[in-house]
Amino acid sequence: QVQLVESGGGLVKPGGSLRLSCAASGFTFSNYYMTWIRQAPGKGLEWVSYINGGSSHTYYADSVRGRFTISRDNAENSVYLQMNSLRAEDTAVYYCARKNLDGDYAGLWGQGTLVTVSS
Amino acid sequence: SYVLTQPPSVSVAPGQTATLPCGGTNIESKTVYWYQQKPGQAPVLVVYDDTLRPSGIPERFSGSNSGNTATLTITRVEDGDEGDYYCQVWDPTSDHLWVFGGGSQLTVL
Repeated sequence: QVQLVESGGGLVKPGGSLRLSCAASGFTFSNYYMTWIRQAPGKGLEWVSYINGGSSHTYYADSVRGRFTISRDNAENSVYLQMNSLRAEDTAVYYCARKNLDGDYAGLWGQGTLVTVSS
Repeated sequence: SYVLTQPPSVSVAPGQTATLPCGGTNIESKTVYWYQQKPGQAPVLVVYDDTLRPSGIPERFSGSNSGNTATLTITRVEDGDEGDYYCQVWDPTSDHLWVFGGGSQLTVL
């Protein structure tokens, strides 16, 4: 079954850290760029980061660059988002998604994991 | 930074046609993607490459892109089409490589 399953969300204090994981199954994981997209409560979608199949290229939104790090383990079919120096405005549902091979869009999404940054 | 503008809400009666615009400067020069998000669920791709439908998406969903406006059109609207719809483009000059519109909430009256 082709799917993505996120984990690792939770409540963290401002300035704290959290690591999100996304487990992929049902497709050749190493062939695909993987991306993280977030959605603040009651708000729209915001692209956060993506990484190519071989981990040689990573890209970040300005709002998270220098604080968040995307990585992947193709042997484990997993992609990660290490989030440091968290702020209240990072509170959101974080979706893992697979970038399609033929364009810059997400054809497969996980169910999301909620990150709440609050004291 | 590239901006995509969507009306916050669109309402339509069942069986009618819903037209959801997505405005952006010279958007016709970009490739537009559309996602549907129902309450409490992850987004789902409904149109890619301006006009194409992924497998499993009904023919009632169609897209177009011209000038400064891309449009998602849903014909014969059903109650199950209610949700939020987001347009998206890739823009390497923006602070976000993938730019999303603010979303339009479709209400079926």
